[in-house]
Amino acid sequence: KNQVEQSPQSLIILEGKNCTLQCNYTVSPFSNLRWYKQDTGRGPVSLTIMTFSENTKSNGRYTATLDADTKQSSLHITASQLSDSASYICVVRIPGAGNMLTFGGGTRLMVKP
Amino acid sequence: DAGVIQSPRHEVTEMGQEVTLRCKPISGHNSLFWYRQTMMRGLELLIYFNNNVPIDDSGMPEDRFSAKMPNASFSTLKIQPSEPRDSAVYFCASSLRDPSYNEQFFGPGTRLTVL
Repeated sequence: KNQVEQSPQSLIILEGKNCTLQCNYTVSPFSNLRWYKQDTGRGPVSLTIMTFSENTKSNGRYTATLDADTKQSSLHITASQLSDSASYICVVRIPGAGNMLTFGGGTRLMVKP
Repeated sequence: DAGVIQSPRHEVTEMGQEVTLRCKPISGHNSLFWYRQTMMRGLELLIYFNNNVPIDDSGMPEDRFSAKMPNASFSTLKIQPSEPRDSAVYFCASSLRDPSYNEQFFGPGTRLTVL
């Protein structure tokens, strides 16, 4: 069973609108939680990295939040652009396991004009 | 920096043939990872190396898969013999070996199709 669950699986929004992607995890404890953006045909690119003690981290129009008590994270995209169309993957790093990462299944976002 | 370099970008082969995927990590990075991505299973870690030494290969699906890292700037993932179910995108990633906060940088991937 995947220890990192993302929702929704896919999402369509209009350009300029905001959206929020969800990530629930059961991995415990964890070192850090990351959000990656993966454009079609490309490798994942890191957007944010948060340790368990951080509640929020921003990268331009992307803001990630983390609630370690409820084991939930969200990625909020503000004023979406067509270039935001991609898959967004939530990844949790397990401590003491070298560089072992547990990947969520991703949310596929499509931004339409 | 050119980033992580993978070759080939696309590979189409017939079942039973040997396939070799190549990766050049970012200069100075001492951890290297091989991943496989499919629609059904998402991203899966196959194997990772620290300082050219394989640390965990528990993700390697079968003995048909093998990986080597002869030096700090080159790694290969070999499938012999290949099967149609091996069709996927294979990513290589590298990072600095900081155990707490390092970021993995992914290559563009190799799309493998086994007919």
